[in-house]
Amino acid sequence: DQQVKQNSPSLSVQEGRISILNCDYTNSMFDYFLWYKKYPAEGPTFLISISSIKDKNEDGRFTVFLNKSAKHLSLHIVPSQPGDSAVYFCAAGGSQGNLIFGKGTKLSVKP
Amino acid sequence: DAGVTQSPTHLIKTRGQHVTLRCSPISGHKSVSWYQQVLGQGPQFIFQYYEKEERGRGNFPDRFSARQFPNYSSELNVNALLLGDSALYLCASDTGVNTEAFFGQGTRLTVV
Repeated sequence: DQQVKQNSPSLSVQEGRISILNCDYTNSMFDYFLWYKKYPAEGPTFLISISSIKDKNEDGRFTVFLNKSAKHLSLHIVPSQPGDSAVYFCAAGGSQGNLIFGKGTKLSVKP
Repeated sequence: DAGVTQSPTHLIKTRGQHVTLRCSPISGHKSVSWYQQVLGQGPQFIFQYYEKEERGRGNFPDRFSARQFPNYSSELNVNALLLGDSALYLCASDTGVNTEAFFGQGTRLTVV
């Protein structure tokens, strides 16, 4: 049973527009959430995180929003650039100190 | 500053063999975690070690084992390899206190 879900396997966006990647979770005990970006043949690269006590965190072009009542978080990238094309993973901090990942969303940013 | 380094980057093993994967964490990081990623899935947690003690274990068979050394580097061992063990094995390090984990480039294991 998946505790972290990314229901969109892929997303295509025009360069300069906003990319919105979504993630849902089932366990209300998660206390922090992270987004990672992954290129083929590389390990995941940390992008941005948010603690469960906040509802928004911003870092440059990347903003993560957390809606605890809906158990939903989203990553906004604006403006999107072709170099943002990658697979994006949502992850939640588990009770053992481990990360629980979604299946990922492949973002394609078209010039 | 060196990031998380893993070795080897690729290897091919035969069913039934044993494999050892190695990981060096970022300097100052005392926690090392191992993940398995198969195609089309997110990374799945295998083990976490903190200060040389096992802190957590995912839902993997006893054929999988790991350890952490005094210098905080780590090894993941898999015995009696099965075809289904073919995957990208990722190592991550962090400070151990609810912070972001930093990943290595992974070891691509192919079992034939």
